[in-house]
Amino acid sequence: GQQLNQSPQSMFIQEGEDVSMNCTSSSIFNTWLWYKQDPGEGPVLLIALYKAGELTSNGRLTAQFGITRKDSFLNISASIPSDVGIYFCAGQPMTTDSWGKLQFGAGTQVVVTP
Amino acid sequence: DVKVTQSSRYLVKRTGEKVFLECVQDMDHENMFWYRQDPGLGLRLIYFSYDVKMKEKGDIPEGYSVSREKKERFSLILESASTNQTSMYLCASSWGLVTQPQHFGDGTRLSIL
Repeated sequence: GQQLNQSPQSMFIQEGEDVSMNCTSSSIFNTWLWYKQDPGEGPVLLIALYKAGELTSNGRLTAQFGITRKDSFLNISASIPSDVGIYFCAGQPMTTDSWGKLQFGAGTQVVVTP
Repeated sequence: DVKVTQSSRYLVKRTGEKVFLECVQDMDHENMFWYRQDPGLGLRLIYFSYDVKMKEKGDIPEGYSVSREKKERFSLILESASTNQTSMYLCASSWGLVTQPQHFGDGTRLSIL
């Protein structure tokens, strides 16, 4: 399946800094999801977005469903060492031939230094 | 919390063997999915199932089959394992196909020698 355009590919930040990453597509989506994956583990759902323009927070994480339905961003505020990991976006396209299939971004590797 | 359990974290098999990967979810989800994850290629859908005994091909079904005899269990089968099937395999489940998020297991790292 088509892969979403996720950027940046990696980020090296200092503890306390804010992190921002985004995903874009040429297709329209009805759901955007953000996951975090630690080494050797499966992805864990962080935030789910269901409506265009929706802004949702989960602790220090904030994500938004783009108004055009073609993009989403994730912000992490005041990063801490345990924020290290790979963050994936995923989206459910609105086309019927994509029924049940998520498209995934390639991931953003976040490294936090003390 | 949703719990998706994969039977093995690490598995080593030989070329030509028939390999079974098992996945169980405890939330009565209708839908279950099998992905493989490879560096640089991201997550790729192998098969999914939206009901007992139902299955749909994903993007890379060749060399794989699946079985769903009970709602909570979804098995991935490598009919004759090959070295290019060495990968991380992830199982996921969800309520609805369209809007509900998928929840993942911890993965099985499979090595084919």
